[in-house]
Amino acid sequence: AQTVTQSQPEMSVQEAETVTLSCTYDTSENNYYLFWYKQPPSRQMILVIRQEAYKQQNATENRFSVNFQKAAKSFSLKISDSQLGDTAMYFCAFMTFIQGAQKLVFGQGTRLTINP
Amino acid sequence: NAGVTQTPKFQVLKTGQSMTLQCAQDMNHEYMSWYRQDPGMGLRLIHYSVGAGITDQGEVPNGYNVSRSTTEDFPLRLLSAAPSQTSVYFCASRPGPTLYNSPLHFGNGTRLTVT
Repeated sequence: AQTVTQSQPEMSVQEAETVTLSCTYDTSENNYYLFWYKQPPSRQMILVIRQEAYKQQNATENRFSVNFQKAAKSFSLKISDSQLGDTAMYFCAFMTFIQGAQKLVFGQGTRLTINP
Repeated sequence: NAGVTQTPKFQVLKTGQSMTLQCAQDMNHEYMSWYRQDPGMGLRLIHYSVGAGITDQGEVPNGYNVSRSTTEDFPLRLLSAAPSQTSVYFCASRPGPTLYNSPLHFGNGTRLTVT
């Protein structure tokens, strides 16, 4: 079974600092996809970044980047030049397809607070 | 383009009452799903559907029913609400399995309290 673990329940940094959120996963599949979602206080789930397991290059979206280590089954999210609007819950998610059926598993979440 | 629309946004029920959480999407997505979000447990899959007329159970299906009579709608029914069903519920959809890297599109959630 696939599992996703976010070992940091809460994190707090000062505005403009860089912060890294950890995510590890367990799977025997070789083809899969990884996502980071952001959930601000509005409760909306917003896709931050995605990574295909077959791609060695780490995904980047503006201030957000990932460090994808396939052998270590690690998928951390780095937020550079953090902003107050980055305050949110962040969820790591793993998706694969088994016999044509989608399997999507979420981590427990990390509550990130950006302080002014 | 509305995306995924969930109603209601908030609901309070008494134990034993029934209700239906509505979910509609206008993106012609084949896949639709319901999650519940509880503190410290992330999002857990309740039920999902890969197309009209097809539904299946997720990780925590007990106490919930679903149906998928159209591509657009995927209602979630609580037949006899229990306090353990107090949670935030999210409906999410994505295109069919051929678009492998497409993420889930989420509704804005329904906060349900069962007293």
